Amino acid sequence: AQSVTQLDSHVSVSEGTPVLLRCNYSSSYSPSLFWYVQHPNKGLQLLLKYTSAATLVKGINGFEAEFKKSETSFHLTKPSAHMSDAAEYFCVVSGDDYKLSFGAGTTVTVRA
Amino acid sequence: GAVVSQHPSWVICKSGTSVKIECRSLDFQATTMFWYRQFPKQSLMLMATSNEGSKATYEQGVEKDKFLINHASLTLSTLTVTSAHPEDSSFYICSAPLRGPENNEQFFGPGTRLTVL
Repeated sequence: AQSVTQLDSHVSVSEGTPVLLRCNYSSSYSPSLFWYVQHPNKGLQLLLKYTSAATLVKGINGFEAEFKKSETSFHLTKPSAHMSDAAEYFCVVSGDDYKLSFGAGTTVTVRA
Repeated sequence: GAVVSQHPSWVICKSGTSVKIECRSLDFQATTMFWYRQFPKQSLMLMATSNEGSKATYEQGVEKDKFLINHASLTLSTLTVTSAHPEDSSFYICSAPLRGPENNEQFFGPGTRLTVL
């Protein structure tokens, strides 16, 4: 069984400052990990994924995440937040059966 | 990238009626699809796994007679909410994995907003 814990339910940042969204995972297998973003009343968009290749993963829109096995973490970062980054972010782990387990989500607000 | 569509994007129905939601993989075949529901300001909860050619498997606590799933072809899965009630109002999302030796990414449909009056 696998699970993820998103450590922050809400993150508020000023435009142009760094964003950090924290995620810890639990998995019996070598996990595949994903970060998705969801804008209000919209579907999910994949930001980036880790599938046992490079531990530092670069995604779209300037986001990146680092897989740290020793810390069972997969934190998402962006060096400079933009107003359009305001959304809900989900950390997700996939098992061998392709079933996805979602974190509770982190709401990001960006202050002008 | 692979595309998954859902139809309808939103539906409003009266209590007691049944509603069918379609999930299609447009440019790839999917022997497995997944159905989720999402309540406002909450995360996605996996409801069931739709299997082409066999019965769907439901997560614990999901009523299989309430949420009928049919995987009619390699590109189509349908979710029917039977005898819908206001508590079934939710955002329903499907996904399909693009299988491969180095890829287990899933592609999500845009979701269907169900409102039961």
